[in-house]
Amino acid sequence: EIVMTQSPATLSVSPGERATLSCRASQSVSSTLAWYQQKPGQAPRLLIYGALTRATGIPARFSGSGSGTEFTLTISSLQSEDFAVYYCQQYNNWPRTFGQGTKVEIK
Amino acid sequence: EVQLVQSGAEVKKPGESLKISCKGSGFSFSGSWIAWVRQMPGKGLEWMGIIYPGDSDTRYSPSFEGQVTISADKSISTAYLQWSSLKASDTAMYYCARVKGLTMDWLDSWGQGALVTVSS
Repeated sequence: EIVMTQSPATLSVSPGERATLSCRASQSVSSTLAWYQQKPGQAPRLLIYGALTRATGIPARFSGSGSGTEFTLTISSLQSEDFAVYYCQQYNNWPRTFGQGTKVEIK
Repeated sequence: EVQLVQSGAEVKKPGESLKISCKGSGFSFSGSWIAWVRQMPGKGLEWMGIIYPGDSDTRYSPSFEGQVTISADKSISTAYLQWSSLKASDTAMYYCARVKGLTMDWLDSWGQGALVTVSS
């Protein structure tokens, strides 16, 4: 099973600032990586797939990068609605696995 | 509009059985893979398994194989997750989601979740 490790566990950022979230795979997953956002009391929402392709309706301030074992989700200028937990998920191997999440909180 | 509507919250006792549902609309339900994802209280997401309602082909993550049963009824566009004997450790929010990608890859639309509480 591929283990996905996200860092940091919590990221404190001021509105308008840039946020950089990391996700590391225990072995190469090529570009088969997705990112999700989950707000309290809500279901997750797909942000990014294929490591860098934004899902339908996702604002351009969200961008993904990386391949192999190292991936990054960048939020260029944090809006109030972006404070949430973010998960990465690999789909190179079965079983599909998620990272443990990074909470982006208001500084 | 793609929608997945899940059944409501459940409170059960250890040892009881349970079947929760997920009804799809706005897309080809029988032509899509549907996943179930567990989120234990205050924890992250866990991929449980997937089903193709068109032919009921089902794949389980090893951690969940034998612990739950995933099924579907394509005639009513509904997928199910069931337990034969619940444990307190099954207490969690359970989400269904549509799977996208050529090889059952990412989850692009999610149900609202169903909270299952198992307590004596």
